[in-house]
Order: sequence, then structure tokens, then C-alpha cells
Amino acid sequence: GNSVTQMEGPVTLSEEAFLTINCTYTATGYPSLFWYVQYPGEGLQLLLKATKADDKGSNKGFEATYRKETTSFHLEKGSVQVSDSAVYFCALRNQAGTALIFGKGTTLSVSS
Amino acid sequence: NAGVTQTPKFQVLKTGQSMTLQCAQDMNHEYMSWYRQDPGMGLRLIHYSVGAGITDQGEVPNGYNVSRSTTEDFPLRLLSAAPSQTSVYFCASSYLFLGGGTTGKRYNEQFFGPGTRLTVL
Repeated sequence: GNSVTQMEGPVTLSEEAFLTINCTYTATGYPSLFWYVQYPGEGLQLLLKATKADDKGSNKGFEATYRKETTSFHLEKGSVQVSDSAVYFCALRNQAGTALIFGKGTTLSVSS
Repeated sequence: NAGVTQTPKFQVLKTGQSMTLQCAQDMNHEYMSWYRQDPGMGLRLIHYSVGAGITDQGEVPNGYNVSRSTTEDFPLRLLSAAPSQTSVYFCASSYLFLGGGTTGKRYNEQFFGPGTRLTVL
């Protein structure tokens, strides 16, 4: 079945540090992949997406590349800010398009 | 546009009580869904709908009912609340995914509501 595995948190970084949050998936076919972000007390917002192999999604300085050969979609940012502190979820959409399958989430805490 | 709205924001119930969580969207989205978020579990799909009059079960449907009488509204009913239903509930909506060859953000992004935090004592 479909599943998403992302690195356990929390991840604690200093401002301007490099961020990587690992995400791997198991799925039939070629699912679309997403990163969502949840700021404290809020709902989820789409951060970036990729719909086919080798696609790179990017937004707000975050990037992730759809790697079919390693079934991965790791999230990276070159220089994090305090305002990036949030919970990050990796997700895939099932082939029927009827559901998002989420990872368990990774909490990022950035200090100044 | 208000986007996806949910009411109430917080609710406390006693075991055995029933209640309805409300969800509405004003984006004319065909697809609507309910997820629950539990610590260390991510989000899990409860029920979803691909249009008015059409609903289906997700990963964790037991103890919940849904209906979709209009495009805009997708209420979630707890028939007899249990402590295991203590969670944060999110409603989401999107245009319906049309499959291969479809491009554009409108066919990919799910919009989430702000959530309802439910405690069952």
C-alpha cells in the first residue's frame, strides 16, 4: 500500500543553518508528492509539490526534488529563519486522486 | 473568498454524546475530505466526497458519519463520542484530480481549514 516515512523530529537549528528533512515513500505508479507546513495553531498549507520524476518543487526558499530511483522527496532550505519554525509534513496523493497519505510530521524549531 | 471554514474551533464532549463538526468552502470545489491529526500519527483520512450526494470511507471511518447535500458543505457527525476520538479535525477541499495530462495548480492543491480541537472526556 501507499505510505510515507519522514525523519523523526524535533529538528533544532540556529538561524541561517542548512535544513534537510528526509522523506521516502512507497506507492504504486507515480504519485504526486507534496510538502505541507503547519504553523502553530493553524491548518496545513501547501509548501511545494512535484508531479513527476525529476521535478523540483520550490517555494519560499524551500526545495524538494522527486527522485524516483530512491523514492525520495527530501525538503531542503539553505538558510532557515526563526519564522520557519513549524511542523512539516510530506505527503503523496493516491493514484485515484481521492486521498493524501501523510507522513507523521517533523517539528522544526529555529532559534536566533 | 473565505476559503475553508470550520466550526467550532474547540469542543469538549462527554462519552456517548453526539455532535456535528461543520465544514464549508466557497471555492466551488468538487472534492472535500475530513482528516484527524493525532500526535506522532500525522493526518489520517476519515471520509471524503467527490461531489454532492457522493461520499466514501477513508482510512479511519469508524464512529463517524458524513453527508454531502450541497457542494459547499461537508459536515462530520460523531454519533456516540468516545475518548479515542479526542483529536484535532481538519477539513480540506480541492478541485477534483482529473488524472494524467492535467496541469496547473488548481488540480493539485488541497486547501485546509483551521481545524477543530475536540476533547472527549
